[in-house]
Amino acid sequence: DGGITQSPKYLFRKEGQNVTLSCEQNLNHDAMYWYRQDPGQGLRLIYYSQIVNDFQKGDIAEGYSVSREKKESFPLTVTSAQKNPTAFYLCASSIWAGGVYEQYFGPGTRLTVT
Amino acid sequence: AQSVTQPDIHITVSEGASLELRCNYSYGATPYLFWYVQSPGQGLQLLLKYFSGDTLVQGIKGFEAEFKRSQSSFNLRKPSVHWSDAAEYFCAVVLAYSGAGSYQLTFGKGTKLSVIP
Repeated sequence: DGGITQSPKYLFRKEGQNVTLSCEQNLNHDAMYWYRQDPGQGLRLIYYSQIVNDFQKGDIAEGYSVSREKKESFPLTVTSAQKNPTAFYLCASSIWAGGVYEQYFGPGTRLTVT
Repeated sequence: AQSVTQPDIHITVSEGASLELRCNYSYGATPYLFWYVQSPGQGLQLLLKYFSGDTLVQGIKGFEAEFKRSQSSFNLRKPSVHWSDAAEYFCAVVLAYSGAGSYQLTFGKGTKLSVIP
């Protein structure tokens, strides 16, 4: 089945450690995205990538880094510089469909930093 | 600045009752509008979208939404709610077109729907 895979579903880290969240898609979508979700805040864009080896900062990129070495993969690293890393992280990819781009979301990774 | 407002943080309805979730946007050009649904601890699923044409759009799971340019609204409706509809619902609008295969969505803060049996 085609889709977006995020692993792990739950992740625990100590403060001061970097951590990398995985996102893989087999939908053959060109564009991929990372969002952060906090209770009552909706979704906020961290980074997005239109093509391999290219990515742009979103609204809240500070303390995060990404890479896009393969079309299928868009890992997100939460660095120790991120002041409040505990959140639910969602990966998405998009495709042109019926006159508009549609975003499809993965199941998410809940990161807890103590 | 462009924005999306969902005025209701939490709505409770009885099973079988009708539902309307409100969404207002602030955007200068013709918007692309979306409604997504999220079950607890899960990703988002696209319910429906509007970008042009008929202002009443049909989606999955029996949902529909109506685009009203004069009111800058894109409200989500369902005639009869089922217990399985309990979830959080997000309205979203395109913020900027940034090239082929990509665009940026701005999300509202969500409306949590509870369903009473």
